Amino acid sequence: NAGVTQTPKFRVLKTGQSMTLLCAQDMNHEYMYWYRQDPGMGLRLIHYSVGEGTTAKGEVPDGYNVSRLKKQNFLLGLESAAPSQTSVYFCASSHRDEVTRNTIYFGEGSWLTVV
Amino acid sequence: DAKTTQPPSMDCAEGRAANLPCNHSTISGNEYVYWYRQIHSQGPQYIIHGLKNNETNEMASLIITEDRKSSTLILPHATLRDTAVYYCIVRVAIGGATNKLIFGTGTLLAVQP
Repeated sequence: NAGVTQTPKFRVLKTGQSMTLLCAQDMNHEYMYWYRQDPGMGLRLIHYSVGEGTTAKGEVPDGYNVSRLKKQNFLLGLESAAPSQTSVYFCASSHRDEVTRNTIYFGEGSWLTVV
Repeated sequence: DAKTTQPPSMDCAEGRAANLPCNHSTISGNEYVYWYRQIHSQGPQYIIHGLKNNETNEMASLIITEDRKSSTLILPHATLRDTAVYYCIVRVAIGGATNKLIFGTGTLLAVQP
């Protein structure tokens, strides 16, 4: 059981380049999330999805786009990377409801540097 | 979601209990208290959560005061591998947008040999 898998784990981009981060989960979770974490700070929610074909904005959505074409995958795109987007990106997933199951599982992170 | 206040850092001797406090004085009646931890360079890991009763699982115990304005996470026998940043989060545990977790800066627990 792999849980939540993110690719790539490390990437260096030049300003203005585009790229896509891929998140895959094998737990049949309905909800998926993308967070970013800057040094010394907690995680901030970028975008999330409550089901296949649906996405919504989180706290810091500007400069990012997402897609959820399949239930198990959640893609995060940077159309024109900026140095301010240098960060560690975490994908996460969770079940839809039930308090006892409503915990969020995180991937190992993707380190992105924009120069 | 209510805000939480945690000490920035704590030390604990290996093998002793680690007691991590959290204040959430503005918590609402339907908000749960969640604890996650983040070991260096890894994704956050779920530890435990509760509403108003004390909870225990294989990892830790959660003690919530009667007025629910504060809570304590207890690691009964801390090991070096428990060194991490511990986040206390309060949120409504229902579906939809409120599933999102709002992270603060947490408490860095350093377990000393």
